Amino acid sequence: SYVLTQPPSVSVAPGQTARITCGGNNIGSKSVHWYQQKPGQAPVLVVYDDSDRPSGIPERFSGSNSGNTATLTISRVEAGDEADYYCQVWDSSSDPPYVFGTGTKVTVL
Amino acid sequence: QVTLRESGPALVKPTQTLTLTCTFSGFSLSTSGMCVSWVRQPPGKALEWLALIDWDDDKYYSTSLKTRLTISKDTSKNQVVLTMTNMDPVDTATYYCARILSSGGPGGWFDPWGQGTLVTVSS
Repeated sequence: SYVLTQPPSVSVAPGQTARITCGGNNIGSKSVHWYQQKPGQAPVLVVYDDSDRPSGIPERFSGSNSGNTATLTISRVEAGDEADYYCQVWDSSSDPPYVFGTGTKVTVL
Repeated sequence: QVTLRESGPALVKPTQTLTLTCTFSGFSLSTSGMCVSWVRQPPGKALEWLALIDWDDDKYYSTSLKTRLTISKDTSKNQVVLTMTNMDPVDTATYYCARILSSGGPGGWFDPWGQGTLVTVSS
């Protein structure tokens, strides 16, 4: 099965930039989607197709994808951005085909 | 506005069968390209994809759980039902349903998600 690896935690001061990586074999050839999950809540889509934002998601959230690493960038971090973040891809040759990353806890200092 | 809501028992005993219902609004599962999926999350752990059903009644399952899962839909009621047999304490998790969207091809992303329902497996 396809494996997506994320750092367990990222810490960032308010107003600074947080970068969350998602590593996978040749992930640059796949579409990567990102979810934010706050404690006790369901995941919320924040980026789809590598770098597109759903309506209602602030421009502070952006994504990129190349080679073996996809990155979710949160600019001008706010206290309300503290959450777990998951990347996700679809890989037809993987089982299961819908694969989620291991998750990253973002802590705002 | 698209919404989904899961319902089902909060507690099941080992070896029992779990039945979860996802009731949705704001879209129709008879519309070409529409899909609804189930995802679960054990406490403190990552998300795990379980199953998917599409507008054409095609069904897909995680191979590791395929023998235990059944997904079905009732288009007239806007519901998708997931059954999981032979429940075990390791199946304790929050179970989510979500709509799947894509840019036109297979795969895609999950949006939106239901609120989730915590299922505990214990005697």
